[in-house]
This record gives sequence, structure tokens and C-alpha cells, in this order.
Amino acid sequence: GAVVSQHPSWVICKSGTSVKIECRSLDFQATTMFWYRQFPKQSLMLMATSNEGSKATYEQGVEKDKFLINHASLTLSTLTVTSAHPEDSSFYICSARSGVYQPQHFGDGTRLSIL
Amino acid sequence: GNSVTQMEGPVTLSEEAFLTINCTYTATGYPSLFWYVQYPGEGLQLLLKATKADDKGSNKGFEATYRKETTSFHLEKGSVQVSDSAVYFCALTMDSSYKLIFGSGTRLLVRP
Repeated sequence: GAVVSQHPSWVICKSGTSVKIECRSLDFQATTMFWYRQFPKQSLMLMATSNEGSKATYEQGVEKDKFLINHASLTLSTLTVTSAHPEDSSFYICSARSGVYQPQHFGDGTRLSIL
Repeated sequence: GNSVTQMEGPVTLSEEAFLTINCTYTATGYPSLFWYVQYPGEGLQLLLKATKADDKGSNKGFEATYRKETTSFHLEKGSVQVSDSAVYFCALTMDSSYKLIFGSGTRLLVRP
């Protein structure tokens, strides 16, 4: 149980385009989803926390107009990287939890490459 | 602030060797502690956790004990396998927001 699916797993696109990444909880309702960014051989950095039906809370230094997060249902959150540039290339990972004191379950990540 | 410090990798071991990956933390209160494992190209999987002092988390032959006196949560395994090759992250969470604070990760390479 507690499966989180991320799609796509890998995307390559041209500079200036927008890219949407989906995060789904397959067998539980996710009241909260988290989005992380991971640079090569580095740790995960939390970008934002989203609760279903409300606006995401962004960590300091993360541009909310650049990284649009939507959590419209209890099983789906999306991260849209708007007008992506090569410096946005990274590994993006989402996680989801079913309640405040429940553990986070992670997706397999999305590798984004901007040419 | 709250933080997690892990030993730098990579750690290279032969199969069946004993593994220790050190993790220490700094926290203003009483955190819950976790070890996550990341296989190449994948997200993180929870390996084990401990929620209070002296608790021992264990899973798949790995174990770690929450040591409040030394603020440590070292990961150990008695006999590693090639399939254990991955990156291991120590993490803590402090409050009801349950935000995870990760260490920098330690890459483990197990050779046959």
C-alpha cells in the first residue's frame, strides 16, 4: 500500500516551454503533498508544501510564479515549471501523506532536462 | 536551526562486510528520525524510523538506534549485499507540519 506515482519519469524540452509534472497517490487520500528538487549527488531540497484545496506554501527562495503547484484533489498534485530554462534542469520528487502525523511516501521522481 | 549531518561518501564495501553510516542531528526539541534509501533513478523509500530516544528502528537487516545523549542515529547492517548499493539519507522531522529535513546523503557501493 501507500503508492505514489509520478509522471512523466523523464522529460526533455526546449528552453521557454512549460512542463507539467503529475503526482498521484494511488491507494490513499493525500491531504498533503510535498515537492522536492534534487541536484546531482545532492540532497533533497523542499520546494513547497501543498494541502488539498488550498494554496501551496513555498520555501524561502522558491519562485512561486515559476513553479506553479496545484492540489485540486485528494489524489493529485501538479507542478508546472513555467518558461523553463536550462538552470531548471533537475530531478523533481513529490511525496504525499494521508494525515498530519503520517509518514511521507515518495514518488519515483521526474528527471527534467531543458535544452 | 534543525539540521542533519551525514558522513560523506562514497562508502565502498565488499559483499558481506559490516556497514555503518554515521548520522548526527541538531534539533531544538525531540525529533523523529528516519533513514531513507534511494536506488538509482528512483525516488526515496522509507527504510526505518524511530520516534523517541532509545527506540531502535529495523528493516531488511538494517537497524539504527535513536541516541539522545549523542544526538545520533547511525545506520548499521551486519552483512551487506550488492543489492544494497544505493544512496542513504538520514532525516528528521520536528513538528506537526512533518516537514522532513534531510542530510546530504551517503552513497554506498557494494562490490561482489
